[in-house]
Amino acid sequence: EIVLTQSPATLSLSPGERATLSCRASRSASTYLAWYQQKPGQAPRLLIYHASKRATGVPARFSGSGSGTDFTLTISSLEPEDFAVYYCQQRNNWPETFGPGTKVEI
Amino acid sequence: QVQLQESGPGLVKPSQTLSLTCTVSGGSITNGDYYWSWIRQPPGKGLEWIGYIYWSGNTYYNPTLQGRSAISIDTSKSQFYLTLSSVTAADTAVYFCARDRDLLHAFDIWGQGTMVTVSS
Repeated sequence: EIVLTQSPATLSLSPGERATLSCRASRSASTYLAWYQQKPGQAPRLLIYHASKRATGVPARFSGSGSGTDFTLTISSLEPEDFAVYYCQQRNNWPETFGPGTKVEI
Repeated sequence: QVQLQESGPGLVKPSQTLSLTCTVSGGSITNGDYYWSWIRQPPGKGLEWIGYIYWSGNTYYNPTLQGRSAISIDTSKSQFYLTLSSVTAADTAVYFCARDRDLLHAFDIWGQGTMVTVSS
């Protein structure tokens, strides 16, 4: 199975700052990589699919890039509601797998 | 607006079988664009895909669960189900059902999740 590694584990930033989150795959995930946001006590929310496409209703400050084994989620200017845990997930190889998450905290 | 809602016992004894239901509302469970999935999250940990089912009954499972999981569907009730046998404390988790949109290769709609604790 493809193992996803996310870095950093925790990102400490302030509102208005830029956040750059990394997801690295042990083998090629092509562009079948999605990003989710999860807040405490809530289900994950789809942000990005196919590595760079924003899901419906996702603000433009969220962007994704990458292909193969290296992917990035960028939040251009953090809003207070963006402080959460972010997971990447690959669909290129079965079984689909999730990364361990990056916590974005104030 | 499609919604998913999990239901089932919150406490299961070790070695017994965990059974959960996901009810789909606001849309058709027989829409061929979607697979219907189960995903779990142990307390304080990450997400693990358990498996999914297509409306026709075709199923796909994560091999890490070593054949303990089974997913079924009742299209007349707009429900799909998860059973997990021979549970241990390691199966304690929040269990989510989710809609897997094939076009996106991602889970686009999730239920709120239900906590299941395995304890005697």
